[in-house]
Amino acid sequence: DAGVTQSPTHLIKTRGQQVTLRCSPKSGHDTVSWYQQALGQGPQFIFQYYEEEERQRGNFPDRFSGHQFPNYSSELNVNALLLGDSALYLCASSLKTGGENIQYFGAGTRLSVL
Amino acid sequence: SQKIEQNSEALNIQEGKTATLTCNYTNYSPAYLQWYRQDPGRGPVFLLLIRENEKEKRKERLKVTFDTTLKQSLFHITASQPADSATYLCALPWMDSSYKLIFGSGTRLLVRP
Repeated sequence: DAGVTQSPTHLIKTRGQQVTLRCSPKSGHDTVSWYQQALGQGPQFIFQYYEEEERQRGNFPDRFSGHQFPNYSSELNVNALLLGDSALYLCASSLKTGGENIQYFGAGTRLSVL
Repeated sequence: SQKIEQNSEALNIQEGKTATLTCNYTNYSPAYLQWYRQDPGRGPVFLLLIRENEKEKRKERLKVTFDTTLKQSLFHITASQPADSATYLCALPWMDSSYKLIFGSGTRLLVRP
């Protein structure tokens, strides 16, 4: 049973560029959440997708956008990259059973903005 | 606003001892609290969930307590092993939405052989 897979594993961009990160959820999961994790910090919630709609959003600017496809896979897009966007971007999938929202994480994409 | 606090200093213990990690939160009463383990370069891995009406939950060498009066959870690893060395994160649902999780910054555990 494949877990959550993310691509690419590493990415280097320059300020002002745009980036797209990809995520395939764990088999059977229908909900995908994206998190940003700075060094030494816990993951910060960016947004969650369910049924191809953004269901909830954290405190991130509109430069961060996403998409969920009919097969439940998802993309995270970041426009006009800033140096401060350098971080580990984590995708997590889940099933909202019992309202407990247990997250199954991928290994992440390490984004460096120069 | 909600806050979660975990000890930012690394916890350094001898193999075989019990490790105890703390998670404190403020400003509301969550329905549950989760603990995750994260190894360097990897995503967090879910370990345990404890609900507000549960005082204690166990899984093998792991034990979690949840004190809703103190607004605190304790995470214990008994008979610790070097392989337990990792960063441990606690997480709570946001007060305004069960779809969002807020994570603490994590506590790094180092178990010396």
